Amino acid sequence: TQLLEQSPQFLSIQEGENLTVYCNSSSVFSSLQWYRQEPGEGPVLLVTVVTGGEVKKLKRLTFQFGDARKDSSLHITAAQPGDTGLYLCAGHGYGQNFVFGPGTRLSVLP
Amino acid sequence: DSGVTQTPKHLITATGQRVTLRCSPRSGDLSVYWYQQSLDQGLQFLIQYYNGEERAKGNILERFSAQQFPDLHSELNLSSLELGDSALYFCASSVGVSGELFFGEGSRLTVL
Repeated sequence: TQLLEQSPQFLSIQEGENLTVYCNSSSVFSSLQWYRQEPGEGPVLLVTVVTGGEVKKLKRLTFQFGDARKDSSLHITAAQPGDTGLYLCAGHGYGQNFVFGPGTRLSVLP
Repeated sequence: DSGVTQTPKHLITATGQRVTLRCSPRSGDLSVYWYQQSLDQGLQFLIQYYNGEERAKGNILERFSAQQFPDLHSELNLSSLELGDSALYFCASSVGVSGELFFGEGSRLTVL
């Protein structure tokens, strides 16, 4: 069974600060996705990374896939209250279905 | 709006009862996934259907069953409900057997 761990579990920061959250596994994934979930809503896809070492930017969010395709990070620059939510990573194994990590719950205070 | 529709949004029932959750995928999506989300368990994969056929099974209890109909909508049936079944149940859809998942807003089930 493939397992994904995310850290930190909870993060509370002030507006304007930078932060990084991590997604780790002992398994290799063919692709990895990051989702954000807001209260009362379903998760929404932010990005998909496929190639080891790949870096993708989405405005103030920078996503990196580890060289070995076992881990990923999400860096947010100058966080804003609108970034508040649950950040989930999901790994897609070879020939297997998506497995989700437990999430990092981010709170950005104004 | 993801284009995935789930009903009902909220459901309160008693232990031992049976409920059915319904999901209409995005237009054109052939895959439907069901997930259970609770505070202590995160987002747990239950089952996936692709074009009417069961594609993959996760941690789905024997008391739970699902199906995908010819019009591609799906239903998740939960029976002999227990207190621990209280959770958010999400449906997601995708075009193929993998790729971007589009989630509905979920059905919140409370078992009293």
